[in-house]
Amino acid sequence: NAGVTQTPKFQVLKTGQSMTLQCAQDMNHNSMYWYRQDPGMGLRLIYYSASEGTTDKGEVPNGYNVSRLNKREFSLRLESAAPSQTSVYFCASSEMGRIGANVLTFGAGSRLTVL
Amino acid sequence: EDQVTQSPEALRLQEGESSSLNCSYTVSGLRGLFWYRQDPGKGPEFLFTLYSAGEEKEKERLKATLTKKESFLHITAPKPEDSATYLCAVQAATSGSRLTFGEGTQLTVNP
Repeated sequence: NAGVTQTPKFQVLKTGQSMTLQCAQDMNHNSMYWYRQDPGMGLRLIYYSASEGTTDKGEVPNGYNVSRLNKREFSLRLESAAPSQTSVYFCASSEMGRIGANVLTFGAGSRLTVL
Repeated sequence: EDQVTQSPEALRLQEGESSSLNCSYTVSGLRGLFWYRQDPGKGPEFLFTLYSAGEEKEKERLKATLTKKESFLHITAPKPEDSATYLCAVQAATSGSRLTFGEGTQLTVNP
């Protein structure tokens, strides 16, 4: 059982370049998320998809776009990368537990550096 | 606005030295409080969900407790393999499926 798989694990970009982070889950979860993690800032939600066919902005959506390709896959795109987007990106999926509590399963992360 | 504050930022313990990590929170109606463990270079791994004040959950050397304003993660007789960053998160009743995370406590257990 692979869980949540992210690719690539590492990427270096130059300012202005574009790239897409891929995420796939095999747990048949309805909801998927993209977070970024920065020192001293904790995990911050970029975008999420509560179910196939829907996407919503999180706390820090500027500079990003997402696509929920199907139930399994949720991609994050940087159209014109900026140094401020240097971070570790985590994809997560979830199933609702007792009384709607949202237990997340995370991928291993993608470390992005923008020069 | 939901807020989560964890303390201390970092904690060093000797093997066998018990201690507690704190998670203070402000939320409009708590749906759930979550503890995760994160090892270096990896994604967070789910530990516990707590739903209401007075609830406790245990797993091996870890015990999580919850009051109306804070949660504690008690670590009894820790071992070096317990070294990790521990993250706390809350889900508000008004925020749908969205979680708010704290910055984490980095725990180091020396042999």
